[in-house]
Amino acid sequence: DADVTQTPRNRITKTGKRIMLECSQTKGHDRMYWYRQDPGLGLRLIYYSFDVKDINKGEISDGYSVSRQAQAKFSLSLESAIPNQTALYFCATSLSGRAQETQYFGPGTRLLVL
Amino acid sequence: GENVGLHLPTLSVQEGDNSIINCAYSNSASDYFIWYKQESGKGPQFIIDIRSNMDKRQGQRVTVLLNKTVKHLSLQIAATQPGDSAVYFCAENGDSNYQLIWGAGTKLIIKP
Repeated sequence: DADVTQTPRNRITKTGKRIMLECSQTKGHDRMYWYRQDPGLGLRLIYYSFDVKDINKGEISDGYSVSRQAQAKFSLSLESAIPNQTALYFCATSLSGRAQETQYFGPGTRLLVL
Repeated sequence: GENVGLHLPTLSVQEGDNSIINCAYSNSASDYFIWYKQESGKGPQFIIDIRSNMDKRQGQRVTVLLNKTVKHLSLQIAATQPGDSAVYFCAENGDSNYQLIWGAGTKLIIKP
């Protein structure tokens, strides 16, 4: 079984809808991250969490919210989806929160906002 | 502003040849650099990293070179194989100890 899983893998939604992307990990890591990937822009950090009680905004948090329900679960919500949130979303984990620590990525969720 | 960019968005290499993927960075404060490989339909996967106190680091079939004078990073893949087909990302830590700044990626295509 994969160490980092994401659900759903693909999602189509309409403008204005609220949606949630979920991430689960079995690596026992405290640190979890949400990124979005757009063609030609690489990965951009949306939110990160050092533990259940510690949530931090990343580079592009506007329009997104997160919830760390447990050490193993970190979900990303789009409160009111808009077309420019169409992207590939990745969840990642690391043992520590330092940039020098290897991050382990899930398979991604492809989101299309119509 | 901070920028981690790549010189070529796509690189085509003959199978068996060596591949060199380049990356430029602009933040002089960066002291940690990392390469990830992303295969089609998958998330990025760690390949190799290097700290600023090093110029070169070797892994299995991969070598990362760091030139701090010109703020340039490269990933060399020896004897490129079909399984090396992927998008390769470089990233740096910039001013942060907790966040990485990612480049746009280079797509490596292997010609048979």
